[in-house]
Amino acid sequence: QSALTQPASVSGSPGQSITISCTATTSDIGYSVSWYQQRPGEAPKLLIYDVYNRPSGLSPRFSGSKSGNTASLTISGLLSEDEGQYFCSSYSSGTFLETVIFGGGTKVTV
Amino acid sequence: QMQLLQSGAEVKKPGASVKVSCKSSGDIVPGHYIQWLRQAPGRGLEWMGWINPKSGAYYRVQGLHYRVTLTWDRSLTTANMEVDSLTSDDTAIYFCAEGPKYIYVWGQGTTVTVSS
Repeated sequence: QSALTQPASVSGSPGQSITISCTATTSDIGYSVSWYQQRPGEAPKLLIYDVYNRPSGLSPRFSGSKSGNTASLTISGLLSEDEGQYFCSSYSSGTFLETVIFGGGTKVTV
Repeated sequence: QMQLLQSGAEVKKPGASVKVSCKSSGDIVPGHYIQWLRQAPGRGLEWMGWINPKSGAYYRVQGLHYRVTLTWDRSLTTANMEVDSLTSDDTAIYFCAEGPKYIYVWGQGTTVTVSS
């Protein structure tokens, strides 16, 4: 697995859409990518898994995609509550878990 | 939904060891793992390793595997992580987490401060 690079910060106005990228530095990022939101003082929260999938009950404003060695998280209809840190993660694609890597995180400002 | 409850904050001196526990509110689903991560002040997430509660197999990331011990107490449905030979670089919030590979459930975090 290669390292994952995220932009340090992304900002947007309420109601707008923003996209956070997550680029694998040396290889195709694959389809085992998840995204997490972390608000200040809280534990992270799963937003997206396996590139595209949302956990049950999560707002459809959050969506994931991938192109080549870059996965992306799009937040539509920005709300003030979306402020926080966002992390991407890549995990092994086989039957068993091997290693997991995290991107450095992106601070979202609304 | 299953919950993970971690032990309380710890303050340790350099060279000491710390043990963080993570109590699951229910049995771990077969194929799911308990993962451990940490987050130094103002930093990102650092993944440390995992333990498979069903098989007992575990993995620790290179660079920490000499100092980190991961265990699972089946009778208490509790995962434990012990870090030896602490330095100031180990000051962080430590999280346990659960899921098939991605993390579905997070513990609330345990602050470990290493200071002389």
